[in-house]
This record gives sequence, C-alpha cells and structure tokens, in this order.
Amino acid sequence: DVKVTQSSRYLVKRTGEKVFLECVQDMDHENMFWYRQDPGLGLRLIYFSYDVKMKEKGDIPEGYSVSREKKERFSLILESASTNQTSMYLCASSSYRDRGTPGANVLTFGAGSRLTVL
Amino acid sequence: AQSVAQPEDQVNVAEGNPLTVKCTYSVSGNPYLFWYVQYPNRGLQFLLKYITGDNLVKGSYGFEAEFNKSQTSFHLKKPSALVSDSALYFCAVRHPDTGGFKTIFGAGTRLFVKA
Repeated sequence: DVKVTQSSRYLVKRTGEKVFLECVQDMDHENMFWYRQDPGLGLRLIYFSYDVKMKEKGDIPEGYSVSREKKERFSLILESASTNQTSMYLCASSSYRDRGTPGANVLTFGAGSRLTVL
Repeated sequence: AQSVAQPEDQVNVAEGNPLTVKCTYSVSGNPYLFWYVQYPNRGLQFLLKYITGDNLVKGSYGFEAEFNKSQTSFHLKKPSALVSDSALYFCAVRHPDTGGFKTIFGAGTRLFVKA
C-alpha cells in the first residue's frame, strides 16, 4: 500500500559530495514536493513541480536543485553537500484531479530520508 | 506574509483525558486548514482538513478540529486521549489562490499521553 517511496531512509555523506534523493509515487499525481524538516522549524518547502520537467522554487531553494523527467519521479539534488543541509527530507505529492473528493488538497508523504553531512 | 503558529512545543496529557493542540494562522482570505501527524520513524499522515462549511470537522482516529475565523484558530481536539496518540502534530495552511502549491506548516507540537 506504499504510495510515495523515498529510496533512502538514512544517508551519511561528506561535505562537498553530490547527493541525490529519489522519490517515486504510484498515484499518478501531477504535483510533487520536497520539504525539509528540522526541529522547531516545522516543514519548509524547498522545491515543487506541477508537471513533468516543470519546477518552481519554494521558500528555501538555495543549495538544492530538482529534476522531474517522469511524472512519477521527483529527485532532489544537493550539488555540494554542506553540514547545514543535515536534515530530514520529506517528499510529498498531490493531485488536481482530487478536487471534490475527500483527498482533495491533501499531501501524501513518503517516510522521509534522514541525511547527515559530515 | 502567511504564517502558522503552534504556541506549544509539547503537550502532556493523561490517558483518558481530553486533549487540545493549538494552532493559529495568519493568512488573508479563506484558507484551507489541515492537521497532519507524524508517528516515530514514519512520514506525515493526514488527519483532517477544513475547506468550508461546518466549523467542526472530524478526522481520523477520533480527532476533530474547530475552525474559528474571528480568532484565526484551528485547534485539534480529542475527547479521550490514548497512549498511542503520542506523536508530533503539525498544523498547516494553504491559501486557495496559490494554486495548491504553497502549504505552510507550523513548527509542530509533540503530544505525550501518559498511561
């Protein structure tokens, strides 16, 4: 019954390394999102995508990029990891087509990827 | 600027007692309001939402929330807490004019239910 899958639950990387976080959803959702979760700060939106090959910056895009080559897959890329990017990363998806249904406007989240940058 | 405030970092309640987790928001117009829950080592799960209509909305696991427009609040409630309700709770708000993309989350409130 898993609907949003994040490929890595735990990663440990070194400063300066390139990091890829992968997210796949099987609900045919148009919208996909990357958030980071930090204690006391809640969830902050990094990037989102509302269609294949489309991307928009969220509130904290600096140091990150994204890729959406297929509808079901949304990747977050840290070009050169830094220690301040140590965090829990959450992928989510939603759909336009849910309008009028109980699932309308609701985000479905993956289990999260905890990244530690040393 | 839009914002969501959860004034309590932590709420402690005894099993069987009623619980309230507070949320206030600052968004113009008529926002959509949500509660999500995060159990240990798991992703966020949707609990309930308010879009329009009745100010009292019911959600999963016996939770409910009351929308109060004059106080710009959306407090989460449950009449009788269970130990298994212990988790991290997030209030979230989405302005309907943002095309569904900008859901803003509060900082979270950790709920501890003691047996």
